[in-house]
Amino acid sequence: ETGVTQSPTHLIKTRGQQVTLRCSSQSGHNTVSWYQQALGQGPQFIFQYYREEENGRGNFPPRFSGLQFPNYSSELNVNALELDDSALYLCASSLGLAGPPGANVLTFGAGSRLTVL
Amino acid sequence: AQRVTQPEKLLSVFKGAPVELKCNYSYSGSPELFWYVQYSRQRLQLLLRHISRESIKGFTADLNKGETSFHLKKPFAQEEDSAMYYCALKGAQKLVFGQGTRLTINP
Repeated sequence: ETGVTQSPTHLIKTRGQQVTLRCSSQSGHNTVSWYQQALGQGPQFIFQYYREEENGRGNFPPRFSGLQFPNYSSELNVNALELDDSALYLCASSLGLAGPPGANVLTFGAGSRLTVL
Repeated sequence: AQRVTQPEKLLSVFKGAPVELKCNYSYSGSPELFWYVQYSRQRLQLLLRHISRESIKGFTADLNKGETSFHLKKPFAQEEDSAMYYCALKGAQKLVFGQGTRLTINP
């Protein structure tokens, strides 16, 4: 059984650029969530994908968008990067937060650390 | 509004001493709460969840609805408990995390 894998692990961009982060969910999981973790803060929910559709969104602007593919892998895209977007981006997979209690345990990836200069 | 508060950013105790990491929440419905842990150079992982009423690595946490708390406790701290601990509340389609407490166990 493979865990959640994310790529790239680190990247540096400049303001105004666009970035795509990738995530492969744990085998058997059909739901992917993305979180942003700024330095010294807890993870903040960006959005969740289930069956290739966005299924919940946090307080993030539309320039944060995502995709989920038929194999349940996912991408996070951020356009028009700002300095405050510098953070660790965490992907987590689960059997679905809307499911029975045991289904909503999140399995996290190691994260992609984005630095915006 | 759903909110999780961990009042201590840093907590330092000696090996063998009791540990209590505080967590308070704000939620209008029936809460479902978790503790996640991140050891050095490892990814965030589930430690325990209140519905399981389990003890993991000697840690327990009891949900107190009257005080809206879910404090994490361990009677005798071990050096390997040093880590970052996050309390989390299940909301609609998401987990709401506290800002975390860095626990350091001194030898």
